[in-house]
Amino acid sequence: GAVVSQHPSWVICKSGTSVKIECRSLDFQATTMFWYRQFPKQSLMLMATSNEGSKATYEQGVEKDKFLINHASLTLSTLTVTSAHPEDSSFYICSAKTGAYNSPLHFGNGTRLTVT
Amino acid sequence: DQQVKQNSPSLSVQEGRISILNCDYTNSMFDYFLWYKKYPAEGPTFLISISSIKDKNEDGRFTVFLNKSAKHLSLHIVPSQPGDSAVYFCAASGRTGNQFYFGTGTSLTVIP
Repeated sequence: GAVVSQHPSWVICKSGTSVKIECRSLDFQATTMFWYRQFPKQSLMLMATSNEGSKATYEQGVEKDKFLINHASLTLSTLTVTSAHPEDSSFYICSAKTGAYNSPLHFGNGTRLTVT
Repeated sequence: DQQVKQNSPSLSVQEGRISILNCDYTNSMFDYFLWYKKYPAEGPTFLISISSIKDKNEDGRFTVFLNKSAKHLSLHIVPSQPGDSAVYFCAASGRTGNQFYFGTGTSLTVIP
């Protein structure tokens, strides 16, 4: 149980284009989803927290107009990287949890984004 | 400010022996602690968790110990297997249950 599917697993795009990454909880309802970014040899950096039906909460230093997050349903959240630049190239990982207190995060398999 | 710290970036252990991964935290409001395992180019996989009302939780080869007074937790893997080679992250969350803080990870290598 507790499977989170993230798509695509890797994507290459040209500078200036936008890329959408989907995150789905397959067998549970995710009241909260989180988007992380991982730089090489570094820890997971939380970008934003999204609750179904409300606006995402972004961490300090993360541009909300560049990283658009939509949590339209209890099983789907999307991250759109707008006007991508090479410095946006990274590994993006989503995670989801139920509303139960003290329940773990379950992660997708990540998306490797390369902007050329 | 790093609220969850893993001071050992790497650890090598012989197959069959015990692996001990350590984690320290600074925020006394944390009440839920987790360990994740991560392979390259994959998302982290949840391993085991412990709430602050306990000091030990065991699941098969994995045991997590929590020392609240020292603000320290550890993950024991016994016996270690080559397939355990991965990066291990500890994480902690506080009262809201909706904010998780991750350590920087420890890369475990189990030598056959």
